[in-house]
Amino acid sequence: EDKVVQSPLSLVVHEGDTVTLNCSYEVTNFRSLLWYKQEKKAPTFLFMLTSSGIEKKSGRLSSILDKKELFSILNITATQTGDSAVYLCAVHGSEKLVFGKGTKLTVNP
Amino acid sequence: DTGVSQNPRHKITKRGQNVTFRCDPISEHNRLYWYRQTLGQGPEFLTYFQNEAQLEKSRLLSDRFSAERPKGSFSTLEIQRTEQGDSAMYLCASSLGQGFPEAFFGQGTRLTVV
Repeated sequence: EDKVVQSPLSLVVHEGDTVTLNCSYEVTNFRSLLWYKQEKKAPTFLFMLTSSGIEKKSGRLSSILDKKELFSILNITATQTGDSAVYLCAVHGSEKLVFGKGTKLTVNP
Repeated sequence: DTGVSQNPRHKITKRGQNVTFRCDPISEHNRLYWYRQTLGQGPEFLTYFQNEAQLEKSRLLSDRFSAERPKGSFSTLEIQRTEQGDSAMYLCASSLGQGFPEAFFGQGTRLTVV
């Protein structure tokens, strides 16, 4: 059964700090790994990674995948209070996404 | 608004009652997924459709749950004889289809069974 483990489960930082969120996975027939941000209700799509070593970047967020070691990281630099959310990692192996429990990030002013 | 739309946003029901939720996906999306999310957990897969065909159903889904997508457009999820353990957020997502795993989520329907 496909499995996704995220760490830490929660994190509290101050504005301006840099954070690294971790996602490890076990999946048969790996196709891609996706990151989502969930603030109140709907998870919103951030990145999709398919190849090892290629960084995806969007503003202060960046992510990279290591297919050999079966993990991904999501970095957020210069955090802002608006970054407070649950960050979900999901893997696409079969025809559906399998999610981890998420990392709850709280950014204090 | 051309995103995924779910109705109702909130539903409170008494134990034993039946409930039905509706999802309208993004119009050109062929795939539609239902997920369930409880507090502190990530979304848990329930079922998905490719057009009108239901292609996979989680083995965790009891026979009280049924989903349809009759014309390959909107979908409904029905829960019969609700139990308190069914209380959760029910999320619908859609994607372009096979080879396009990026799923876009609706705002969810929060079900409370009292």
